Amino acid sequence: QSVLTQPPSASGTPGQRVTISCSGSSSSVGSNSVNWYQQVPGTAPKLLIYSSNQRPSGVPDRFSGSKSGTSASLAISGLQSEDEADYYCATWDDRLNDLVFGGGTKLTVL
Amino acid sequence: QVQLVQSGVEVKKPGASVKVSCMASGYTFTDSYFHWVRQAPGQGLQWMGWINPHSGDTNYPEKFQGRVTMTRDTSTNTLHMEMSGLRSDDTAVYYCAKFLTGYVGAFDIWGHGTLVIVSS
Repeated sequence: QSVLTQPPSASGTPGQRVTISCSGSSSSVGSNSVNWYQQVPGTAPKLLIYSSNQRPSGVPDRFSGSKSGTSASLAISGLQSEDEADYYCATWDDRLNDLVFGGGTKLTVL
Repeated sequence: QVQLVQSGVEVKKPGASVKVSCMASGYTFTDSYFHWVRQAPGQGLQWMGWINPHSGDTNYPEKFQGRVTMTRDTSTNTLHMEMSGLRSDDTAVYYCAKFLTGYVGAFDIWGHGTLVIVSS
């Protein structure tokens, strides 16, 4: 059972906008910034969003992040077939004194 | 460019120890902390701790304290993660990752991963 709750799956058609949620607590998402990772099966995770809404250089602006209270979201607009991957949120938990990840969301592009 | 190259697959028996290596290149080794994250087959990501390559200071979450040791060799720009008392549920891909300084939980460069199989 992950400390951060993500939906196990999400889907969309090419060109569509999809959002993935990440729900935590006052000691995790409520107190710290959130990071998002994209992982194509068989490869290492890739940093997609850091500090809740910042994109590393090279990440398309189709990807955006937001945070409100104890929840965070990753939005992908103009969905493309290469976006099919697993997505994980991560943040620090002050109560657990641990870096925690969500259980991951498998995105399927129909 | 910045690269993290990890050691190869390891197969160990329960109770044994394993040491995974991660060699950094393309930037100043001591400029950033490094973290280790593991992923069991078909499962999510689990944080294992960090090491400051400049000082050698480490920090491990409670679940790994006493079982994990992270070290570094500044002469070869290499990090090591050693885990003792291996169990079958330690079977996983182990990643080293470079910390994006100032942003907790943000790792901007990852190694390709090292598969550790624990089986009798």
